[in-house]
Amino acid sequence: SQQGEEDPQALSIQEGENATMNCSYKTSINNLQWYRQNSGRGLVHLILIRSNEREKHSGRLRVTLDTSKKSSSLLITASRAADTASYFCATAPNRDDKIIFGKGTRLHILP
Amino acid sequence: DTAVSQTPKYLVTQMGNDKSIKCEQNLGHDTMYWYKQDSKKFLKIMFSYNNKELIINETVPNRFSPKSPDKAHLNLHINSLELGDSAVYFCASKSYSGGTGELFFGEGSRLTVL
Repeated sequence: SQQGEEDPQALSIQEGENATMNCSYKTSINNLQWYRQNSGRGLVHLILIRSNEREKHSGRLRVTLDTSKKSSSLLITASRAADTASYFCATAPNRDDKIIFGKGTRLHILP
Repeated sequence: DTAVSQTPKYLVTQMGNDKSIKCEQNLGHDTMYWYKQDSKKFLKIMFSYNNKELIINETVPNRFSPKSPDKAHLNLHINSLELGDSAVYFCASKSYSGGTGELFFGEGSRLTVL
């Protein structure tokens, strides 16, 4: 069963602008992770936020988590062409080893 | 050295055939996974092993049989291939069971069934 739903499904922005992607999930979680997938490649872990954290930063990435709304957002600031990729949120809803991914947001950075 | 490596990267075969995909990780992780990504990029968990023991088996047809000879290897064998098996299969590993570790993915094995 699917746990996370990213929104929007696709996003096109100009280089330099900020990109915001959202993820909603259904059950309680221990943590939420965001991954990036470049075309034809495997997924790469970006950032993990624990259920007792509300915000986390890593370079140009900012992740928020609202456990009351069961939602998270990923903000990429000052986007670059190299940020063009699909972004997935992942959670472990019932048992810690079962990590489930959402459908992803396809981000396209326009030059 | 590649952390999680899968072979082959591409696999084209006929319906009804049997094929295998191999995965190896050199990260010293004890938990490994197989995920299937369909044409719409939806990533679905299939199996997970922790130190050679099957811990997750997600409603996958029994034509799919994972095998873990040791904790560094997790192979996937598929019998009687069907058109719907066409997808990209990803192997991943994690540092320890408990859900707090990040997944490290291989580059994927694209299976095309004709």
